[in-house]
Parts: sequence; C-alpha cells; structure tokens
Amino acid sequence: QVQLVESGGGVVQPGRSLRLSCTLSGLTFTDSGMHWVRQSPGKGLEWVALISHDGTKRYYADSVKGRFTISRDNSKNTVFLQINSLRADDTAMFYCATDRGGGLSAVPPDNWGQGTLVTVSS
Amino acid sequence: QSALSQPASVSGSPGQSITISCTGTSGDIGNFGYVSWYQQHPGRAPKLIIYDVHNRPSGVSNRFSGSKSGNTASLTISGLQAEDEGDYYCSAQTTTSTLEIGGGTKLTVL
Repeated sequence: QVQLVESGGGVVQPGRSLRLSCTLSGLTFTDSGMHWVRQSPGKGLEWVALISHDGTKRYYADSVKGRFTISRDNSKNTVFLQINSLRADDTAMFYCATDRGGGLSAVPPDNWGQGTLVTVSS
Repeated sequence: QSALSQPASVSGSPGQSITISCTGTSGDIGNFGYVSWYQQHPGRAPKLIIYDVHNRPSGVSNRFSGSKSGNTASLTISGLQAEDEGDYYCSAQTTTSTLEIGGGTKLTVL
C-alpha cells in the first residue's frame, strides 16, 4: 500500500523560512519522481515543483521560482520543499505526490499524501 | 489563472450523465497523451480517476471515462450518484516538462 506522509507545516511569520518533508512508503523511492502541489483555502490546486527520481532534474512553477527549492534524500525516502521569504499568499495545504514516470519530465501524479498546512501570519 | 480552462460548475440529477471539459493549447493537452483527472471531496486529498486521457486506475468506477480531441480533454460521468459530488481537476504535461492543473469544476448532484 502506497503511503505519503507530509510534515513540517505550521504557523509562520511573513518573511521567515520553512522546510516541508514528505516520506514515501510502499513504492521504490529511487524510481519515483516527486511533486509538490499546493491549495490555498477555498481555491484550486496549483502545481509547485517536481524533482526527478535521481535528483538530476528539478522543475518549478513560475510563481515560486527563486523562493522554493525542491530536494530529496533517497537514503531516507524523503522529498523536501524549502520555502523562503514566506508571504501571506503562500498560506495553503501543501501536498506531495508521486509522478507516474520517473520525473525526468512532469507526468500528472498518481498517489497523493494528505497534505501539511502552512499558514503565514504575523 | 490556470492555463487549462474548466467550467466553474456543472450539475446533474442522479442517473444522468455529465461532461466536464478541459481546454488547453498545443503546448500541453494538444501535444501529449499525459492528461489526468482528479476527484476531490471537501477536506480530502485529490484522488486520481483517469490517467493518460482515458485509462482508469484499479478500483475506479467504469462510470468515469475520459477522452481528448485536439486541445480539449473531457471527463464524462455516467449514472450520476450523490457520492460523485465534489471538485474535479484536469492536469497535463507541458512542452517545458512542467505540469499544468486546471482551475477545477464543482460538480453538484441535484
């Protein structure tokens, strides 16, 4: 059974940084490209970033380039999302999801975690 | 504003069929066979219901079907049931190797 568990969310002040984590079980992590997708309260899904199975390719939505960094630790079956200079409009549920391919280019994901909530507020 | 355009809402009565469209460009839907659809219920994570335009994951009802013509993908739900009510999103690969997700469609079962 595939399971993705996100963590690291919380209430953060504007301008601060945060690192989200997502751990995958039930699939071979080193074969899996990994996505982050966010959803602001009451809004739709927004794709954020993708990292390939081997970490050699990283892709970002234009809206987050320069502030967000995706990375992975294949020894821990974990993908990360570093978010810097947090803004109020970053308030969202952040989901991680597995790419249906190896992540060398983005294929719409199949398995999703339950999400971790980031609230940016002073 | 998403590059994939979906109607904001659709509705239907139990037993009826509805279709949700997802219009993109030659830079996404029109160029690739990687189009997926997701169902999301309030407070829940999205669930994959269609992948690669028309394939259903194991366990997804055959009442859900997908198709594509040119730059537009479509999701059809036949024999509407109350449990189908929720939000539906399309998603597609782009020519820049990134992902686009549609703005979402709220389905109401009357």
